[in-house]
Amino acid sequence: NAGVTQTPKFRILKIGQSMTLQCTQDMNHNYMYWYRQDPGMGLKLIYYSVGAGITDKGEVPNGYNVSRSTTEDFPLRLELAAPSQTSVYFCASGLSGENTGELFFGEGSRLTVL
Amino acid sequence: AQSVTQPDIHITVSEGASLELRCNYSYGATPYLFWYVQSPGQGLQLLLKYFSGDTLVQGIKGFEAEFKRSQSSFNLRKPSVHWSDAAEYFCAVGTPNDYKLSFGAGTTVTVRA
Repeated sequence: NAGVTQTPKFRILKIGQSMTLQCTQDMNHNYMYWYRQDPGMGLKLIYYSVGAGITDKGEVPNGYNVSRSTTEDFPLRLELAAPSQTSVYFCASGLSGENTGELFFGEGSRLTVL
Repeated sequence: AQSVTQPDIHITVSEGASLELRCNYSYGATPYLFWYVQSPGQGLQLLLKYFSGDTLVQGIKGFEAEFKRSQSSFNLRKPSVHWSDAAEYFCAVGTPNDYKLSFGAGTTVTVRA
């Protein structure tokens, strides 16, 4: 059971470039999330999805876009990379009901924008 | 909106000693509370959660946490720390019928021999 898989693990971008961080989960979870983690700041929610075809903004959505065409996949796109987007990005998935908040995280994608 | 504060940025503890990590939340009603652990280079893993009922909850790896409504706190404890407990610990708060968690800034735990 792979859980939540993120690719790539590391990436260096130049300012203005675009890229997509891939996220796939094999647990049939309805909820999926993208967080970014910056030192001393904890995790900030970028976007989330409660099911295929449904996405919504989190706390820090500017500069990012997402899509959710299937239950399994939740890619995060950076259109015009900026140094402020240098961070570690985590994808997570989770259940609803009595398991709300029990999130399963990927291993993270470290992005550097130069 | 709910929020959570972890007052301690970094804690150093000797192996075999007890550990307590503090977490204070802000929410008008009873929140859902969680502790997650992040080992170096890894994603976060759920240690334990509190939704309702018994205010002392047990988790994995020998951790426990106590919900105190009067203090708006959910502190994490372990009686005897192992070197493998060196990690970053995050407290998080959620609310009923909401799908999103708010995370604290984290507490880094260093274990010395």
